[in-house]
Amino acid sequence: DTAVSQTPKYLVTQMGNDKSIKCEQNLGHDTMYWYKQDSKKFLKIMFSYNNKELIINETVPNRFSPKSPDKAHLNLHINSLELGDSAVYFCASSFLPGRRNNEQFFGPGTRLTVL
Amino acid sequence: AQSVAQPEDQVNVAEGNPLTVKCTYSVSGNPYLFWYVQYPNRGLQFLLKYITGDNLVKGSYGFEAEFNKSQTSFHLKKPSALVSDSALYFCAVRDRGSGTYKYIFGTGTRLKVLA
Repeated sequence: DTAVSQTPKYLVTQMGNDKSIKCEQNLGHDTMYWYKQDSKKFLKIMFSYNNKELIINETVPNRFSPKSPDKAHLNLHINSLELGDSAVYFCASSFLPGRRNNEQFFGPGTRLTVL
Repeated sequence: AQSVAQPEDQVNVAEGNPLTVKCTYSVSGNPYLFWYVQYPNRGLQFLLKYITGDNLVKGSYGFEAEFNKSQTSFHLKKPSALVSDSALYFCAVRDRGSGTYKYIFGTGTRLKVLA
């Protein structure tokens, strides 16, 4: 009964390719997030959706495009991959941050390596 | 603007000794404060949070944290460290009054418990 799942767990690809990472949560949360963790373990928010609507859109290259088909899924598509995109990408979910029980639950991460 | 600082990259402590992992924050309004733990090759796991009320918050695995408004700190503590507590710990903050849904994470503190 995995709470937040991501696929794939590992992704190795060539520069210039396009790839997608999928995320699903079964916690009944209404808000989902994508974070990027770099090699120094620094965690940075990229996007967040609440009930399929974009509520956080940080300054990331527009090669990154999130898509939320429903509130249980948030996918991340990356075009024209670059070496600097290599990182671990975490999906997370929570109830809307204004609520008291707003702690986030994280997926296991997707390690992206661009060659 | 909201920010969070974890001044120590690494904390070493002997098994059985008390441990403290430091966190200070800056917000314009009242904060939601969180601690998460990350074990190697895993996603972040929620440990505890402060919303309002008692300044001493108890969480998972025997951890607790003390909210200190005057010092704008939220240090993580445990009375007796275990080797299995060795992991990367993140403090996070959200400014309730800012209108943003964004959580800001600290840079992480690596805790090493020595047997």
